[in-house]
Amino acid sequence: AQSVTQLDSQVPVFEEAPVELRCNYSSSVSVYLFWYVQYPNQGLQLLLKYLSGSTLVKGINGFEAEFNKSQTSFHLRKPSVHISDTAEYFCAVSESSNDYKLSFGAGTTVTVRA
Amino acid sequence: DVKVTQSSRYLVKRTGEKVFLECVQDMDHENMFWYRQDPGLGLRLIYFSYDVKMKEKGDIPEGYSVSREKKERFSLILESASTNQTSMYLCAIQRGNGANVLTFGAGSRLTVL
Repeated sequence: AQSVTQLDSQVPVFEEAPVELRCNYSSSVSVYLFWYVQYPNQGLQLLLKYLSGSTLVKGINGFEAEFNKSQTSFHLRKPSVHISDTAEYFCAVSESSNDYKLSFGAGTTVTVRA
Repeated sequence: DVKVTQSSRYLVKRTGEKVFLECVQDMDHENMFWYRQDPGLGLRLIYFSYDVKMKEKGDIPEGYSVSREKKERFSLILESASTNQTSMYLCAIQRGNGANVLTFGAGSRLTVL
């Protein structure tokens, strides 16, 4: 079975600074990888996904992530954050052969300050 | 866009009460899910359903049951609520076209006193 570790529970960052959220996964088989975002008092929405192909994936709101198979990582980055990026971010993984079962990380809370 | 509606945003119940959480989708998607979200634990799958009357246990099904009598509606049932079931409950649907993406409702925050 797959599992996900998000290495930072809280990330404070100043507006217009870059941010990186780290995600490592464990699985012995081919995987699909996702980042979801949860804004305050809302459900989760998809930021980006990696299914196959290019290891650099671009998502909404200027976010991107890079799949690194040798390091089993899928880190999320944004070069310049806004106050509106304050949210909780979840990394998730599923096995490509069993794609209805997602495993989620514990979440990383990003707080952007002016 | 697909819409996932959870009927109650906030509920307060007493220990031992029976609790129903309802989730309705406005499309014809087969797969529906119930997760609970707790600080520091992320999302954990309680149950999912892949068709009407079909269900499968997730990672933490104890203390919960589900019902799916119609394709658009998936209910989570707490037969006898306990304080350790105080949590945020999220319903999600999955499009069946291999895109593997979940669409979530806004969540139901349950407090059991």
